[in-house]
Amino acid sequence: QQPVQSPQAVILREGEDAVINCSSSKALYSVHWYRQKHGEAPVFLMILLKGGEQKGHEKISASFNEKKQQSSLYLTASQLSYSGTYFCGTNDNNAGNMLTFGGGTRLMVKP
Amino acid sequence: DADVTQTPRNRITKTGKRIMLECSQTKGHDRMYWYRQDPGLGLRLIYYSFDVKDINKGEISDGYSVSRQAQAKFSLSLESAIPNQTALYFCATSDFWSPSNEQFFGPGTRLTVL
Repeated sequence: QQPVQSPQAVILREGEDAVINCSSSKALYSVHWYRQKHGEAPVFLMILLKGGEQKGHEKISASFNEKKQQSSLYLTASQLSYSGTYFCGTNDNNAGNMLTFGGGTRLMVKP
Repeated sequence: DADVTQTPRNRITKTGKRIMLECSQTKGHDRMYWYRQDPGLGLRLIYYSFDVKDINKGEISDGYSVSRQAQAKFSLSLESAIPNQTALYFCATSDFWSPSNEQFFGPGTRLTVL
């Protein structure tokens, strides 16, 4: 079953912050975040392992709450280059690199 | 040169035709995957392979088959294409030894079935 992402879409002005959420109905071993720019392939941002780990990538960070089976991606002081669709991928049993992706959150950053 | 390549990049075919999408990688990764992407549904796994002799069904394998001809090549076939297989198809690779479990995606193949 796919994880649920919210919101489905968000529009920001440059410099504003955003949070993207990813919720699963299953216990999770890890959560992965990818960004896909229009017309391009998805690109890996970060992985979070169970244990409440919070990671960062430029001004993009994420947290993972394994008890709540959810992860959040935080985009701080957004830049035009942050525009794209963000996907979370969940791994529920550490059986290899099997990921189940959410439906995506489309982010548009305007000047 | 791109590390993960897919051919063709675009394909238009008719209902009932057999079609093959090819994926090649120069990253030396052992694991390869085929996904399809539809608007609002994200990426859904069709098949995956952890080495040349290993093939596994993913979430939506019906109507598809795969072949792992070599470590570097993983092909996806639609035996008899139907219109609801119209989608963007991605191949991806990963390395068993990578601590981040990062998947590297090819550029995608846009398939239209008329």
